[in-house]
Amino acid sequence: SQKIEQNSEALNIQEGKTATLTCNYTNYSPAYLQWYRQDPGRGPVFLLLIRENEKEKRKERLKVTFDTTLKQSLFHITASQPADSATYLCALPTSGGSYIPTFGRGTSLIVHP
Amino acid sequence: DAGVTQSPTHLIKTRGQQVTLRCSPKSGHDTVSWYQQALGQGPQFIFQYYEEEERQRGNFPDRFSGHQFPNYSSELNVNALLLGDSALYLCASSLVLAGGGTDTQYFGPGTRLTVL
Repeated sequence: SQKIEQNSEALNIQEGKTATLTCNYTNYSPAYLQWYRQDPGRGPVFLLLIRENEKEKRKERLKVTFDTTLKQSLFHITASQPADSATYLCALPTSGGSYIPTFGRGTSLIVHP
Repeated sequence: DAGVTQSPTHLIKTRGQQVTLRCSPKSGHDTVSWYQQALGQGPQFIFQYYEEEERQRGNFPDRFSGHQFPNYSSELNVNALLLGDSALYLCASSLVLAGGGTDTQYFGPGTRLTVL
């Protein structure tokens, strides 16, 4: 099964700066990787999916990179806003061929005005 | 178009009791997955239902069981509750794709279960 590591410490940044969150995984290389946002007491909300043959993917102020050699994905939020404050979860297929995701514990992002 | 809904929002039970949680999937979705999320942890997959049958199951004991109804809604049942079952229980719905996988999952707001 997959093991996922996300920084357990909260990331504090100033409004307007770029936030960068890290997701490292062990074991096999997944066919894709997903990022979710979760607000306190709410369910996760899907943000982006990046496939193994894609180096980078963008959606508005979000950018995700996927380095299968380093077994790492980086999640960037440019021009961050206080409304971006939330926990961001990384998820990968549980095993090769599986469509069931294994989630990391998430990293809390706090954007200060 | 209603998204995924779950009931109840909060629930308090005592050890040894049984609980039933309910989920209605997003309109047009036919697959329901259940997750357990402990405080400070990511969601952990419990099981997935499709066509009223358990399609896949995570590493959870038999005390956790489920059901899917013809209208695609689903229930999660937990018997003989333990203190460690206290968590946010999330339901996610999706649509099975032609290749057998599922499309993007949409999560409900969750049910917060507290076991005393």
